[in-house]
Amino acid sequence: GAVVSQHPSWVICKSGTSVKIECRSLDFQATTMFWYRQFPKQSLMLMATSNEGSKATYEQGVEKDKFLINHASLTLSTLTVTSAHPEDSSFYICSASPLLAGVQETQYFGPGTRLLVL
Amino acid sequence: AQKITQTQPGMFVQEKEAVTLDCTYDTSDQSYGLFWYKQPSSGEMIFLIYQGSYDEQNATEGRYSLNFQKARKSANLVISASQLGDSAMYFCAMREIQGAQKLVFGQGTRLTINP
Repeated sequence: GAVVSQHPSWVICKSGTSVKIECRSLDFQATTMFWYRQFPKQSLMLMATSNEGSKATYEQGVEKDKFLINHASLTLSTLTVTSAHPEDSSFYICSASPLLAGVQETQYFGPGTRLLVL
Repeated sequence: AQKITQTQPGMFVQEKEAVTLDCTYDTSDQSYGLFWYKQPSSGEMIFLIYQGSYDEQNATEGRYSLNFQKARKSANLVISASQLGDSAMYFCAMREIQGAQKLVFGQGTRLTINP
């Protein structure tokens, strides 16, 4: 089956630093990748939709300058949390839709990245 | 705008019993897809089952089946013969067919299987 990896799986950083999270589709090409954020005991909230070679589309309320997304190739998207603060601590999950995916095909999710900002 | 509602924050079921997790949705689209995912404590999202809005038959995948009632806009997940390993968070999600095909998730239901 289709596999999506995320790196790192865990990151602890000091307030004010920037953190980059990578999302890779390992055995398929993804036109579109999605970034979600999940707080403890809550649902997944879509942050942005990332398309290869173009600017990401952010959901309402998500700061573009805070959460920088780059989709440099059909297998890699990155999320950079700039000047991270404790309130940015969360579980970040990416997903990918394969090229020519049928409507019935699920998005393939990465294992997630837990970010803790001290 | 699309919306998914899961009204059961938590469910407790005895092992080997069947369990139904509720999901209602709201959309003005005629074409849409409905998904169920399982999220164990490790955090990974595991795809369980899919139902298309034009599918006439209810979807089934092993012990999982989807009770799709289009007129009521409900898509309940039924797990038969529950197992201890079924304990997890379960999310219902809707996908728009047009455009970016984003997924909108419900609030989730935490299922606990008791031995």
